[in-house]
Amino acid sequence: NAGVTQTPKFQVLKTGQSMTLQCAQDMNHNSMYWYRQDPGMGLRLIYYSASEGTTDKGEVPNGYNVSRLNKREFSLRLESAAPSQTSVYFCASLLERQGLGYTFGSGTRLTVV
Amino acid sequence: DAKTTQPPSMDCAEGRAANLPCNHSTISGNEYVYWYRQIHSQGPQYIIHGLKNNETNEMASLIITEDRKSSTLILPHATLRDTAVYYCIVRVGTDKLIFGTGTRLQVFP
Repeated sequence: NAGVTQTPKFQVLKTGQSMTLQCAQDMNHNSMYWYRQDPGMGLRLIYYSASEGTTDKGEVPNGYNVSRLNKREFSLRLESAAPSQTSVYFCASLLERQGLGYTFGSGTRLTVV
Repeated sequence: DAKTTQPPSMDCAEGRAANLPCNHSTISGNEYVYWYRQIHSQGPQYIIHGLKNNETNEMASLIITEDRKSSTLILPHATLRDTAVYYCIVRVGTDKLIFGTGTRLQVFP
């Protein structure tokens, strides 16, 4: 999707390994979000950042950490991956003004074996 | 927090209008209704949003009842490319979007 770039697109981890999912947007948006989507389910909010330097927990934050490095970048870190974290991860951004839609990235497919 | 209820699945013939309902009976006065769709496993795509007036854009129309307890997304001439999962979402708090399970729309030839 235009404007929000996620890397990597695919990743396989072994249980206990760590990794960081990267997200960057070039639209000068204030707010950024990380969601996960399990098979056949809707998206669930992991963490979000309303502005540079601030982060807050969403619905399912356990097992994750985030870092809002600057206005453009918002990373998601798995310190010790578990099979339950196998999912598709989506990053999104929003210009903080009521009535505007979110822009989502194309997702990172993570498998933990 | 307002929540939404949508049918899990719907079918629609190509070229016909697809009408996707959504119930949000606990919506607050300043909360917007958003519609997104997700085609296959891509990132969700914004479609339309509204507060209390009906809205129309190049993709769809949104009809919100006068009491705001329900809404309908209308795709006027559905195509096969409109096959997707459609999410009706009420904006929670300042800006978080909380997704439900959505409606899986299947457009058939």
